[in-house]
Amino acid sequence: EPEVTQTPSHQVTQMGQEVILRCVPISNHLYFYWYRQILGQKVEFLVSFYNNEISEKSEIFDDQFSVERPDGSNFTLKIRSTKLEDSAMYFCASSPFREKLFFGSGTQLSVL
Amino acid sequence: QQQVKQSPQSLIVQKGGISIINCAYENTAFDYFPWYQQFPGKGPALLIAIRPDVSEKKEGRFTISFNKSAKQFSLHIMDSQPGDSATYFCAASMEGGSEKLVFGKGTKLTVNP
Repeated sequence: EPEVTQTPSHQVTQMGQEVILRCVPISNHLYFYWYRQILGQKVEFLVSFYNNEISEKSEIFDDQFSVERPDGSNFTLKIRSTKLEDSAMYFCASSPFREKLFFGSGTQLSVL
Repeated sequence: QQQVKQSPQSLIVQKGGISIINCAYENTAFDYFPWYQQFPGKGPALLIAIRPDVSEKKEGRFTISFNKSAKQFSLHIMDSQPGDSATYFCAASMEGGSEKLVFGKGTKLTVNP
């Protein structure tokens, strides 16, 4: 069964550093998303991406965050200058149409 | 208004019992209500979903009950099995409006053998 693949599974970085989280969505899916889950808390929406542009973003997704689909298969989330509060599990998701989301296993980001 | 409130936070059930998890919402514009199942180290996986035009949807041992007037919906797991032990999240979204899923805080279900 096709699945969303995320790399790396764990990422440790120093505060102020840039990180790039990578995702390979399921092929032929059209909608792409990033969500995050701070330990012990609910899953929160960050951004959605469709037709090569951001379709919606949350208040969490400020100027420090950006997304790209550089080559038609990968989907990346970049955090330019990480903060301690960015420590979370980041989930990529893709969907053939809105609503039926398939999530990856996540990247655990730890900012020290 | 964008919140989805989920209870209980944790639930322990004996094998063969019924697990019931409840969610409530405020925003009447929500019109799609999925439940996600998450095992440790994995991402959430869609379990079952319902729209407000029906009051119940059943898929195998999993049933969603929906009460539009009370703005509540619940997940029932019949004949609960140890393999059902996971964290369950309810969520809501608006078709035609904001496409983001608003998640509840999750319920950690433990099914004892």
